[in-house]
Amino acid sequence: SQQGEEDPQALSIQEGENATMNCSYKTSINNLQWYRQNSGRGLVHLILIRSNEREKHSGRLRVTLDTSKKSSSLLITASRAADTASYFCATDARGFQKLVFGTGTRLLVSP
Amino acid sequence: NAGVTQTPKFQVLKTGQSMTLQCAQDMNHNSMYWYRQDPGMGLRLIYYSASEGTTDKGEVPNGYNVSRLNKREFSLRLESAAPSQTSVYFCASNPLRTGQFYEQYFGPGTRLTVT
Repeated sequence: SQQGEEDPQALSIQEGENATMNCSYKTSINNLQWYRQNSGRGLVHLILIRSNEREKHSGRLRVTLDTSKKSSSLLITASRAADTASYFCATDARGFQKLVFGTGTRLLVSP
Repeated sequence: NAGVTQTPKFQVLKTGQSMTLQCAQDMNHNSMYWYRQDPGMGLRLIYYSASEGTTDKGEVPNGYNVSRLNKREFSLRLESAAPSQTSVYFCASNPLRTGQFYEQYFGPGTRLTVT
């Protein structure tokens, strides 16, 4: 069964706008990761946040983690057409990297 | 470095046929993983190998076997393919050192169709 559920399932925005996607999960975690998947390609790691961290930044990406609500959000600022992809959260319950993936958010950024 | 490579890229099998999906990584990573991705879903873990010589089941292991041939290579075998195994298969690797958290590096995937 999927650990994470992403919301929304699909998101369509214009270039320059911000994109926010959310992930909820069911059990306690050790860390949470976000990945991007371009159509027909493998996954690429974006950012990892540990269970004792609340916020992390990487370039135009900002990730938050609320362990009390079992949720995380990924914010992409100033979106570009090249950000068009599916985004997945993945949780690691015991720190052994047995990741459990969510169902993903499909992001479309139009020029 | 090539990273994680997978062969073949595409495969069509008839029900009952067998095949082996190959995966290799050149990053000297300890752990390797096999996932499947079905339409509209995230990845689900089939098997993983935390280190050379060890393998363990993931979420959906039925119908599959794996071999960690050496530190570089991790193969996935379908002994008797079924239409339910039609999917895209991804291999991944990770340094996996105790107490450290690392990203997983993914291969480009193998698209398998079972008719």
